[in-house]
Amino acid sequence: DAKTTQPNSMESNEEEPVHLPCNHSTISGTDYIHWYRQLPSQGPEYVIHGLTSNVNNRMASLAIAEDRKSSTLILHRATLRDAAVYYCILRSNTNAGKSTFGDGTTLTVKP
Amino acid sequence: DVKVTQSSRYLVKRTGEKVFLECVQDMDHENMFWYRQDPGLGLRLIYFSYDVKMKEKGDIPEGYSVSREKKERFSLILESASTNQTSMYLCASNSGAGVSYNEQFFGPGTRLTVL
Repeated sequence: DAKTTQPNSMESNEEEPVHLPCNHSTISGTDYIHWYRQLPSQGPEYVIHGLTSNVNNRMASLAIAEDRKSSTLILHRATLRDAAVYYCILRSNTNAGKSTFGDGTTLTVKP
Repeated sequence: DVKVTQSSRYLVKRTGEKVFLECVQDMDHENMFWYRQDPGLGLRLIYFSYDVKMKEKGDIPEGYSVSREKKERFSLILESASTNQTSMYLCASNSGAGVSYNEQFFGPGTRLTVL
């Protein structure tokens, strides 16, 4: 299975943009890139996903490198409520939709 | 509001007990999943089910079994609980078996302690 690599932790100031990187050098052509986040004492929640093109939604933007070996989750204006663990995962048609979550990146937002 | 609910937020059991963790989703999803989450190990998939009465092993199925008798309910069973099964257990569901881009919806988790 293709793996992802993320930094263990990152810090941001409130109301500033945050760029969370993810490396997935062994990604296959059918793998979708998904991002989830987990707030304290809660289950993970979906943030965004993409295949090849950059994606935007109300929560964040996803920038995917042209060779798809890396991606970046962008929070345009971090708030204190964005403090969470962010997971970058790959999902493929060949494994019935199951996902493997790594350790993720713990984002701290400072007021 | 879509929901995945788990029967307990906190559970304390003794070694050797049989433990049932229940998960219910109200979204008519085909797929349901059980994960455990441990510090430094991320979320690891235990079992998943893509249809009623169907089950597939995940990455760490040893010591666990599952049951899916109804589409909305997926149960995780610890036949004889051991201390190394102390963990946070998370249930999730999504639609469309094999469709890779569908988001998963997670429950709030059950923190199980085995003494």
